Amino acid sequence: DIQMTQSPSSLSASVGDRVTVFCRASQSIRSHLNWYQQKPGKAPKLLIYSASSLQSGVPSRFSGGGSETAFTLTISDLQPEDFATYYCQQSYITPLTFGRGTKVEIK
Amino acid sequence: QVQLQESGPGLVKPSQTLSLTCTVSGGSISSGAYFWSWIRQFPGKGLEWIGDITYSGSTKYNPTLMSRGTISLDTSENHFSLKLSSVSAADTAVYYCARRFVDTRDDWFDPWGQGTLVTVSS
Repeated sequence: DIQMTQSPSSLSASVGDRVTVFCRASQSIRSHLNWYQQKPGKAPKLLIYSASSLQSGVPSRFSGGGSETAFTLTISDLQPEDFATYYCQQSYITPLTFGRGTKVEIK
Repeated sequence: QVQLQESGPGLVKPSQTLSLTCTVSGGSISSGAYFWSWIRQFPGKGLEWIGDITYSGSTKYNPTLMSRGTISLDTSENHFSLKLSSVSAADTAVYYCARRFVDTRDDWFDPWGQGTLVTVSS
């Protein structure tokens, strides 16, 4: 199975900050990487697919990058509603696998 | 827009079978562009893909289930279901259903149901 490793596991930031979350795959997954946002008590929500494509309706302050084994999710100008947990997920091969999540907390 | 809603018992006894249904509204489950998936989230927050089914009934499962899982489709009711046999406390999780879009370049889960907590306990 492909292991997805996210870092950091949590971070503290302030409104207006630029935040970057990292995701590393245990083998090359080309650009088959998705990012999800999850708020407490809610289901995950798709933000970014295929490493860098913004899902319809998602604010442009979210962006994704990377390929092969190293990926990033960047939130520019962090807003109060962005405090949540973020998960990466590889769609290169089954079994589909997720990272353990990065919790973005208010400083 | 398409919405998904899970339903089923919230408590299952060890060694019994967990049964959940996901009802799809706002779109047809017979659409060829999508797979219909089950994903679970453990109390420690890790997410695990359980498996999916296509509109034609083809299934794929996570090998970690060790053949305990069965996903089926009911196009007349526009829903799909999960059965997980011989459950133990390790199967306690929030179970989500989701629509999975798959093509040669893109493959993602959206939308997801709200999730249902299933606890395995005697």
